Amino acid sequence: DTAVSQTPKYLVTQMGNDKSIKCEQNLGHDTMYWYKQDSKKFLKIMFSYNNKELIINETVPNRFSPKSPDKAHLNLHINSLELGDSAVYFCASSLNLDSGNTIYFGEGSWLTVV
Amino acid sequence: DAKTTQPPSMDCAEGRAANLPCNHSTISGNEYVYWYRQIHSQGPQYIIHGLKNNETNEMASLIITEDRKSSTLILPHATLRDTAVYYCIVRPNLSNFNKFYFGSGTKLNVKP
Repeated sequence: DTAVSQTPKYLVTQMGNDKSIKCEQNLGHDTMYWYKQDSKKFLKIMFSYNNKELIINETVPNRFSPKSPDKAHLNLHINSLELGDSAVYFCASSLNLDSGNTIYFGEGSWLTVV
Repeated sequence: DAKTTQPPSMDCAEGRAANLPCNHSTISGNEYVYWYRQIHSQGPQYIIHGLKNNETNEMASLIITEDRKSSTLILPHATLRDTAVYYCIVRPNLSNFNKFYFGSGTKLNVKP
């Protein structure tokens, strides 16, 4: 069973489109995250939700909007896609925000904007 | 503004121990040291973490110096499947969470 699963794995879309990436965790964790891995392979946090409440919102364009319908899901919606949005997006979860709790990652969603 | 420094790449012979160093000289007392690895086209995989004491699990051992300014990840018997990028991360508490990110890591090449 996949602990953190995200769909789609690959997404190719045109500039200006709106797209969503879905994420689900079956670990019973309270906290979920979205990370972006850029072309230099740096992985940077974008958002964090704890019990469906937004905790962390990094300097991300407001075209990116996370939505957490319940603790087990954190979806990422992106409006008006731009070329620079092309990257790998990772969903992750942890038991809670305590720094002693491991963060588990999904397999990534490869977004290509053309 | 990474809090950790790692060599960009290392080679290791298959079957030998791989020792991956990491410097984290600005670590605070309540910050954990985490190690992850990323195999091409996959998500980061958790390996091990520690605060002060050395730790061991089925994958690896983590040796943290007494002053906590550096650590070493040890893969006791490296296999070809251990070829990956290894990330050493200092995990801050909630107030500094925006500084938690993966840097460039160490590319470990395990050779036959």
